[in-house]
Amino acid sequence: GNSVTQMEGPVTLSEEAFLTINCTYTATGYPSLFWYVQYPGEGLQLLLKATKADDKGSNKGFEATYRKETTSFHLEKGSVQVSDSAVYFCALLTMDTGRRALTFGSGTRLQVQP
Amino acid sequence: EPEVTQTPSHQVTQMGQEVILRCVPISNHLYFYWYRQILGQKVEFLVSFYNNEISEKSEIFDDQFSVERPDGSNFTLKIRSTKLEDSAMYFCASSEVRSTNEKLFFGSGTQLSVL
Repeated sequence: GNSVTQMEGPVTLSEEAFLTINCTYTATGYPSLFWYVQYPGEGLQLLLKATKADDKGSNKGFEATYRKETTSFHLEKGSVQVSDSAVYFCALLTMDTGRRALTFGSGTRLQVQP
Repeated sequence: EPEVTQTPSHQVTQMGQEVILRCVPISNHLYFYWYRQILGQKVEFLVSFYNNEISEKSEIFDDQFSVERPDGSNFTLKIRSTKLEDSAMYFCASSEVRSTNEKLFFGSGTQLSVL
């Protein structure tokens, strides 16, 4: 079956530090990969996505590259801000077989200190 | 930007009681979903709904669960007889289309506590 594993949090960084949140996946077929973000008191929002191998998704300074060879989709940002404090969820979606719904990781809480 | 609205934000109930979680999806969306996240665990798919019927459900979505679109705007999740292990954050989501590129819009969730 499909599964997503992401690094446990919380991740605590100082403002302007470099961020990496690891995400690896197991899937049948050829999944699309997503990062969702949940700011305090809000719903999950799509942050970025990639639909095929070697695609790079990017948004708001965040980037993630779809690596089929390592089955990974690590989230990176060169310089985090306090406003980036949130919970980040890695997810996949495949339409090939099985469930046609998002499979999420457990989420990683990021805390950015001024 | 349009948003998915969920009510209530917090719900406390006694074990064995029925609860109804409410969601108002985005108005032109056709596909509706419920997910849940037990504290510290993964966000799990419960059910998807299209054209007034369930299109897919997970093994979690047993006979104690039901969904309904009672009118043109609301989408509800009912738990008939709550158990302690139903305590979780429940997220409603909706989307316009259903493909590998689908963009799901999520609500802010209902935190259900079963005592």
